[in-house]
Amino acid sequence: AQSVSQHNHHVILSEAASLELGCNYSYGGTVNLFWYVQYPGQHLQLLLKYFSGDPLVKGIKGFEAEFIKSKFSFNLRKPSVQWSDTAEYFCAVKAGGTSYGKLTFGQGTILTVHP
Amino acid sequence: GAGVSQSPRYKVAKRGQDVALRCDPISGHVSLFWYQQALGQGPEFLTYFQNEAQLDKSGLPSDRFFAERPEGSVSTLKIQRTQQEDSAVYLCASSSPRGGATDTQYFGPGTRLTVL
Repeated sequence: AQSVSQHNHHVILSEAASLELGCNYSYGGTVNLFWYVQYPGQHLQLLLKYFSGDPLVKGIKGFEAEFIKSKFSFNLRKPSVQWSDTAEYFCAVKAGGTSYGKLTFGQGTILTVHP
Repeated sequence: GAGVSQSPRYKVAKRGQDVALRCDPISGHVSLFWYQQALGQGPEFLTYFQNEAQLDKSGLPSDRFFAERPEGSVSTLKIQRTQQEDSAVYLCASSSPRGGATDTQYFGPGTRLTVL
């Protein structure tokens, strides 16, 4: 069974700082990878996803993530964070080849951005 | 358009009581998922429906948990004889008219269950 590990439980940054949130997964086969975000008081929503092709994936609100197969990693990045990026971020993996989208999530990283 | 809705948003139950949690998916979505999210953790898969068929229930933690989607739209997650360890947020997600593996899952707001 696959598992997902997010390195940081809580990250605190000032506005305009650069962000990188780590995500590693364990699964030997093909995977599809996701980052979800939950803003305070809101639902989980998709930030970006990787299925195939270019390993550098761009998502909403200036976020991007890079799939490095050899490192089993899918780190999330943003060059300059804003106060509105304060949220909880979840990395998730789906075993490739399954006929439906059952997701395995990491434990989440809380990002706090100070103005 | 309307997103995934769940009710009730909050539920407090005494240990041993039965509870029923409702999910209204986005209209026309074939796939429906239930997840359980304990405090400080990420969501964990419970069960999956394609239309009215429950194709995967491997994540249900015990036989006290039961889910149904009889007409292929609204789904109910029932927990019998609730225990304190059942306290969590229960999330419902639905995806696409096509029900394919690449479809984005849209999550509801969740039901926060507290068992006293």
